[in-house]
Amino acid sequence: DTAVSQTPKYLVTQMGNDKSIKCEQNLGHDTMYWYKQDSKKFLKIMFSYNNKELIINETVPNRFSPKSPDKAHLNLHINSLELGDSAVYFCASSQVQFYGYTFGSGTRLTVV
Amino acid sequence: QQQVKQSPQSLIVQKGGISIINCAYENTAFDYFPWYQQFPGKGPALLIAIRPDVSEKKEGRFTISFNKSAKQFSLHIMDSQPGDSATYFCAASSRGGSTLGRLYFGRGTQLTVWP
Repeated sequence: DTAVSQTPKYLVTQMGNDKSIKCEQNLGHDTMYWYKQDSKKFLKIMFSYNNKELIINETVPNRFSPKSPDKAHLNLHINSLELGDSAVYFCASSQVQFYGYTFGSGTRLTVV
Repeated sequence: QQQVKQSPQSLIVQKGGISIINCAYENTAFDYFPWYQQFPGKGPALLIAIRPDVSEKKEGRFTISFNKSAKQFSLHIMDSQPGDSATYFCAASSRGGSTLGRLYFGRGTQLTVWP
């Protein structure tokens, strides 16, 4: 059983399109995150939700909108995709806020 | 600015050797220092972590050394194996202050262990 699962694993799309990435965790964790890993492998936090409440919203373009329907799910919707959005997006969760993250296997987004 | 600085960017070690990766931080509010291991196509996985009240933590072949006064910590991999070849990230976070709620990562070290 996968602890943190993301879909899709790969996403290739054209500039200007809108796309969503889904994340689910079965660990019973209260906090979930979205991280972006760029081409140089730098990991940067984008958003964090605790019990469906947004608690971190880093300096991310408002084309990115997270949604947490319940504490086991955190989705990421991206509008008007740009070339610079190409990256690997990781979902993660933790039990104690911000400690002991469990990451999903990532979604590689390629915008052409 | 970069909250956690990691070096080296890449490291090549022979099988059986010791791999050492170093990290430094400035924010004294940080109180949790984990290391993550990432294989190609996978997400980072928590390897080992330390809190600033201890100077060393060992788990199997992996040891974290922590120097609170110098604001530095390092990962030592003893008897390095080809299966250890991966990207390693140090990180830091705190429960309070201006950095509340953020796990800051170093830029990663690509470790290659030659057989």
